[in-house]
Amino acid sequence: EAQVTQNPRYLITVTGKKLTVTCSQNMNHEYMSWYRQDPGLGLRQIYYSMNVEVTDKGDVPEGYKVSRKEKRNFPLILESPSPNQTSLYFCASSVTGLSYEQYFGPGTRLTVT
Amino acid sequence: AQSVTQLGSHVSVSEGALVLLRCNYSSSVPPYLFWYVQYPNQGLQLLLKYTTGATLVKGINGFEAEFKKSETSFHLTKPSAHMSDAAEYFCAVSPLISSGSARQLTFGSGTQLTVLP
Repeated sequence: EAQVTQNPRYLITVTGKKLTVTCSQNMNHEYMSWYRQDPGLGLRQIYYSMNVEVTDKGDVPEGYKVSRKEKRNFPLILESPSPNQTSLYFCASSVTGLSYEQYFGPGTRLTVT
Repeated sequence: AQSVTQLGSHVSVSEGALVLLRCNYSSSVPPYLFWYVQYPNQGLQLLLKYTTGATLVKGINGFEAEFKKSETSFHLTKPSAHMSDAAEYFCAVSPLISSGSARQLTFGSGTQLTVLP
């Protein structure tokens, strides 16, 4: 089944404790992206990747890191999480960066206390 | 810069009634337009899109949307609501000419649709 998977789905952590949220797609897509969803703000893009070893900042990249060492994986790293990073995070992928449709993972709900 | 406004963060309709979710965009050039749906505890799923051609586009589950350039709108409709339509709906836009080489999406703030029995 074609899908985007994220792990973990739920995470509660404390300020300053490094964490990684994994994202994997099995559709051989070139383009992958991370969004955060906050009430009343819709989805905002954090980082995106056009292909392996090619990443770029989105609208809200502060406090986040990403890497794209393999085509299928695009982990999101929070090296020193803060409470304002409490949010719902979505990973998405598409065939290429110019594709109209993006395929979304199920989301990771992160709480930073 | 583009922006998307969804009027009404919460909309309630009775089962069988018309669904109308409003979306307006601001852009110097009409963009590509999308509606995504998010069911509870799931990721977003593309409902329909307008790129070129016919301004009335049909999507999945009986939804359709009409691009009106003069009104800078892309409202989503469904003639008869079903209980399974209860979800959050997001309007999104993408520039006609992408900067760089990525088609960046700008999302609206979302509209939560409740369907009453």
